[in-house]
Amino acid sequence: ETGVTQSPTHLIKTRGQQVTLRCSSQSGHNTVSWYQQALGQGPQFIFQYYREEENGRGNFPPRFSGLQFPNYSSELNVNALELDDSALYLCASRSGLAGGPANTGELFFGEGSRLTVL
Amino acid sequence: DQQVKQNSPSLSVQEGRISILNCDYTNSMFDYFLWYKKYPAEGPTFLISISSIKDKNEDGRFTVFLNKSAKHLSLHIVPSQPGDSAVYFCAAVNSGYSTLTFGKGTMLLVSP
Repeated sequence: ETGVTQSPTHLIKTRGQQVTLRCSSQSGHNTVSWYQQALGQGPQFIFQYYREEENGRGNFPPRFSGLQFPNYSSELNVNALELDDSALYLCASRSGLAGGPANTGELFFGEGSRLTVL
Repeated sequence: DQQVKQNSPSLSVQEGRISILNCDYTNSMFDYFLWYKKYPAEGPTFLISISSIKDKNEDGRFTVFLNKSAKHLSLHIVPSQPGDSAVYFCAAVNSGYSTLTFGKGTMLLVSP
């Protein structure tokens, strides 16, 4: 059983550029969520996808967008990069419905993509 | 407005002793609480959780206690081992929404 994998692991961009981060969810998982972890902070929820539809969004501007593909892999796109976007971006997956009584919050995280914006 | 707070950025403990990591929350709608452990250059890994209908959950050396009236939970590690050295995140979820709200983390250092 393969875990959650993310690419690239590190990247450097300049302000105003666009970036795409990729995630392959754990086998059998159909729900993918993305979190941003800034230095010294805990991970913050960006958005979640369930069966290719966005299913929940945190307090992030529209220039943060995403996709989920039929094989449940996912992309996070950030346009017009700002210095404050420098962070570790974590992808997490789980199986089952996105909400409801069966959800106990346990997520399986990838190692993250560390983005530096200069 | 931080809904999940971990007020101790770091904690140092000697091997074999007890480690106690604390977490407070403000949102009464949270009904599951989790602890994640994170090593450098790795993603967070799930450690233990507790439902809001319980006050204690134990898994080997790890025990989580929940005090709903005080909106406080704690993670006890007994005995602590050097391999436990990591950043520990407290997280909470409203099962109707499935998204995790994390604290800022506590870095635990267990010295031999």
